[in-house]
Amino acid sequence: SAVISQKPSRDICQRGTSLTIQCQVDSQVTMMFWYRQQPGQSLTLIATANQGSEATYESGFVIDKFPISRPNLTFSTLTVSNMSPEDSSIYLCSVRGRIYEQYFGPGTRLTVT
Amino acid sequence: GENVEQHPSTLSVQEGDSAVIKCTYSDSASNYFPWYKQELGKRPQLIIDIRSNVGEKKDQRIAVTLNKTAKHFSLHITETQPEDSAVYFCAASMGTGGGADGLTFGKGTHLIIQP
Repeated sequence: SAVISQKPSRDICQRGTSLTIQCQVDSQVTMMFWYRQQPGQSLTLIATANQGSEATYESGFVIDKFPISRPNLTFSTLTVSNMSPEDSSIYLCSVRGRIYEQYFGPGTRLTVT
Repeated sequence: GENVEQHPSTLSVQEGDSAVIKCTYSDSASNYFPWYKQELGKRPQLIIDIRSNVGEKKDQRIAVTLNKTAKHFSLHITETQPEDSAVYFCAASMGTGGGADGLTFGKGTHLIIQP
């Protein structure tokens, strides 16, 4: 499976600011996904990022709050904008493998104070 | 949209015994059902998956069964070992190979293996 890295691994941010999370893959992939995992909870899909097109957002997530870029087949960014304490979570990117399987990055642990 | 229910939320078994975790899904269009294992502080790790054209799949001590008519699927772990202790998540997706392949997860099962 692909090697996936995320930056930063963790951050503590003040409310009202924005943080951009990077996801890098060591091979070209068509589909990348962004998920959120709140402390002790399950994973929730934020959006699907396909190279060369606008990201597709799930219900409850909007582009103004979570803008996503997908400039090429190995890289994507997720920005968490105008943060509040409710945005404190782990943000994970995933990539689709050869067929339908998804592999996750190590995650970015965000704390908003 | 899809809704995935997972039971139990916590499961404690004696080392060497079997463990079974069950999930149900709501959208009959879902075609792909993976299972993930997540250890504390680690990323979710894909351990086994099944597509809707298959009723059962096995990989060493782990097996997954799927009943598409009833819309439920289960994870079976035999001869449990201490390293099996983790949170397990089931998930479902359309499995189309396109943009609708985002995963909907169950709430997770905390599996505890008692020595």
